Amino acid sequence: NAGVMQNPRHLVRRRGQEARLRCSPMKGHSHVYWYRQLPEEGLKFMVYLQKENIIDESGMPKERFSAEFPKEGPSILRIQQVVRGDSAAYFCASSSIRGGTDTQYFGPGTRLTVL
Amino acid sequence: AQSVSQHNHHVILSEAASLELGCNYSYGGTVNLFWYVQYPGQHLQLLLKYFSGDPLVKGIKGFEAEFIKSKFSFNLRKPSVQWSDTAEYFCAVNAGGNNRLAFGKGNQVVVIP
Repeated sequence: NAGVMQNPRHLVRRRGQEARLRCSPMKGHSHVYWYRQLPEEGLKFMVYLQKENIIDESGMPKERFSAEFPKEGPSILRIQQVVRGDSAAYFCASSSIRGGTDTQYFGPGTRLTVL
Repeated sequence: AQSVSQHNHHVILSEAASLELGCNYSYGGTVNLFWYVQYPGQHLQLLLKYFSGDPLVKGIKGFEAEFIKSKFSFNLRKPSVQWSDTAEYFCAVNAGGNNRLAFGKGNQVVVIP
């Protein structure tokens, strides 16, 4: 039973480019969460999605960041016009039911470096 | 807003020593509590969780944690660590039935053989 999959594992972008991070949830899971981990910090919640719906994006920066979870295919976290401060590890998690009453299982993360 | 505190970010100890990592949270209502572990080069894995019931929770690899509601704490313990327990440990809290996990900053634990 495959776990949560994320790709790429490492991503290097120059300032101003776009970064696209992908997350495939565990089989049978329909809830996806994105977290960001800055150096020397814990993980910070960004967004919670179900298929075709954004449920909670209270942790997303107001500009340049967007997320989707289409009916088919992986969830995508998109960062437009990246800046050096976007350098971080981005983790995706999934759960089978709403995360408040179920366990979130994490992927290996994507480490984004902005030059 | 929820906040989670983990102290002593860096912990170094010898094999067979006992380990206790503190976790305190700030939310006063119903909480779900988790400890995750991240071994070097690997992803976050669930170590143990508390939703309700017995406040002493047993997890994998000999770890346990105790929920003390009056102290807003969920400390992690292991009586005798092994070199393979070298990892980063994160406490996480889900409060009020919302969908977000709030994480502490983590404890980097190094076990010396």
